[in-house]
Amino acid sequence: GQNIDQPTEMTATEGAIVQINCTYQTSGFNGLFWYQQHAGEAPTFLSYNVLDGLEEKGRFSSFLSRSKGYSYLLLKELQMKDSASYLCAVRVGRTTDSWGKFQFGAGTQVVVTP
Amino acid sequence: DTGVSQDPRHKITKRGQNVTFRCDPISEHNRLYWYRQTLGQGPEFLTYFQNEAQLEKSRLLSDRFSAERPKGSFSTLEIQRTEQGDSAMYLCASSTRDRGPHNEQFFGPGTRLTVL
Repeated sequence: GQNIDQPTEMTATEGAIVQINCTYQTSGFNGLFWYQQHAGEAPTFLSYNVLDGLEEKGRFSSFLSRSKGYSYLLLKELQMKDSASYLCAVRVGRTTDSWGKFQFGAGTQVVVTP
Repeated sequence: DTGVSQDPRHKITKRGQNVTFRCDPISEHNRLYWYRQTLGQGPEFLTYFQNEAQLEKSRLLSDRFSAERPKGSFSTLEIQRTEQGDSAMYLCASSTRDRGPHNEQFFGPGTRLTVL
């Protein structure tokens, strides 16, 4: 089975940095994704890692260690609009199939305070 | 707006009634996924299609649930004899292999189902 763990909630002040950790135990790993979801809205894609290391995309960075089953999402220069749930998702499937289904964590609610 | 649309956005029904939801994916996307999300949880995989073929169905999907994608474009998800435990947000997503190895899924706004 799949097991994806992330903290339930984190609070940080505007302009600060927050790191959201995600650990997973899964078979058929084929990539790790981070999505942002505002209340009542659809998840939107933030980042993707399939190889070990850091991927940087503006204010957001994501890191992956496949041997440790660990990823983090780093949000820099926090803005009030970053208050949302952040979902860690593992794609599972055959290595020749880059499409596979996603298994999501429960999400981390980030609260940005003034 | 991701380009994936779902209809209706909200549905309130009485226990025991049947409901049907529709998803229109991004037009060139071959794969279409259905997920269910309850409050405070991440989306749970239900089923997915490649073109018109249903490739996988989760064990979460009881025989009261059925999904179709008859022409490989839009999809419908039907729930028969609804139960209060079916109350959730039903999300549809689509993807294409043409975006390179990451092939992220694009989600629609969801249909919120409330079973009274």
